[in-house]
Formats: sequence, structure tokens, C-alpha cells
Amino acid sequence: EPEVTQTPSHQVTQMGQEVILRCVPISNHLYFYWYRQILGQKVEFLVSFYNNEISEKSEIFDDQFSVERPDGSNFTLKIRSTKLEDSAMYFCASSEAPEGTGELFFGEGSRLTVL
Amino acid sequence: AQKVTQAQTEISVVEKEDVTLDCVYETRDTTYYLFWYKQPPSGELVFLIRRNSFDEQNEISGRYSWNFQKSTSSFNFTITASQVVDSAVYFCALSSGYSSASKIIFGSGTRLSIRP
Repeated sequence: EPEVTQTPSHQVTQMGQEVILRCVPISNHLYFYWYRQILGQKVEFLVSFYNNEISEKSEIFDDQFSVERPDGSNFTLKIRSTKLEDSAMYFCASSEAPEGTGELFFGEGSRLTVL
Repeated sequence: AQKVTQAQTEISVVEKEDVTLDCVYETRDTTYYLFWYKQPPSGELVFLIRRNSFDEQNEISGRYSWNFQKSTSSFNFTITASQVVDSAVYFCALSSGYSSASKIIFGSGTRLSIRP
């Protein structure tokens, strides 16, 4: 069964450092997403991406965040200068075009710890 | 505004008991999708069900069943004959708009513990 894969599974970084989280969505999917879950809290939408541009972003997704699909297969989330409060599990997800089932397929998450 | 409320923060039951997880949603859209996801201790999000706003038929899948009532804006989830492996955090979620590829708004989750 096709799946969304994320790397790294866990990253520890110092405050102020840049972090790139990588995702490989399901190959025929066109819509890509990043969600965040701070430990013990609910899952929060960060950004959606379609046709090589951001479709929608939340208030959380400020100028420190950026997304990119550099090579047609990877979908990355960059945090330019990490803060302590960026510590969370970051989930990538993908879905087919609207004409499809629309179900979001989530990756297993990347846990980011900022010290 | 869109909102999902899971009033039950934690539930603990003994194995083999039935348990219902409540979910109440708010949206002004007439077309929307409701979801349930399971998050086991390992942390991944496991899709359980998706239901669109035009389909109020209840659904049963093995020991799982879902009750969707538009009149009360609820989408409750029942586990029959619970098992220890059902222990997890369960999230109800809402996606509004024409396509369920829209962003999903999650509830705060219900932590379910099944005691042997």
C-alpha cells in the first residue's frame, strides 16, 4: 500500500538553527500539507500546497516557515531559525486531486526537539 | 467559523466494555466532511473514517460504529467490546468546502485507555 514517508523521524537542534523536514508524498497525489502537533495537544494545520504554490496557510505559518517541492517527489518544510516553541511532531500529508477520494494520507511524523 | 469539540479529555474503561467518544462540530458550510483518526502511542495518525455531510447513514466496521446526526451536529464514535489495543488518542476532525482535500480542523482529542 502506498504511503507517505517522512525523514528524519526525530531531530534535535539548537535554538536559532535552521531545520529542514522532508516528506515523500504518495506519487500520484497533487495536494500536500504540513500539520503540527505540540506534545499532548491537538493536531494543527500549517500549510497546504498545490501546483507548486501555497494554497492556504495558518497563522502559525509565519515568515520563519517555508515549503518547497524541489524535485517533483520531495516536499520539504523549512524552519529558518528555530524557537523553543517549535518543538513538536510535524506531520506531512498528501491527497489526490479534488475529483478523487480526497482522503488525507499522513506520514508517521517527524519529531522536532529544539533545545 | 469551523470548530470541533471533543468534550471528553480522557476515558478509561475495562476491556470488553462498550465506549462512545463524542464529537460536536460547527461549520457554516453545507458541504463538509467529518473524520475520525486514531493516534496510538507510537504517534502516527491512522485514518478510521470519512463521512460527507450528505450521507447521514450510520456506519459499522467490525467493532467500530459511527453515528452522524446533522440535527445535533454530532459525529460520535462507538467501540464495541473494547480491547487493550484500542488504547489511543482519538481525534475527530472537520473539513469544509467542496473537496475533502481542504484543510482539516482537528478536535483536541480523547485519550482512551482500556484496562485489562
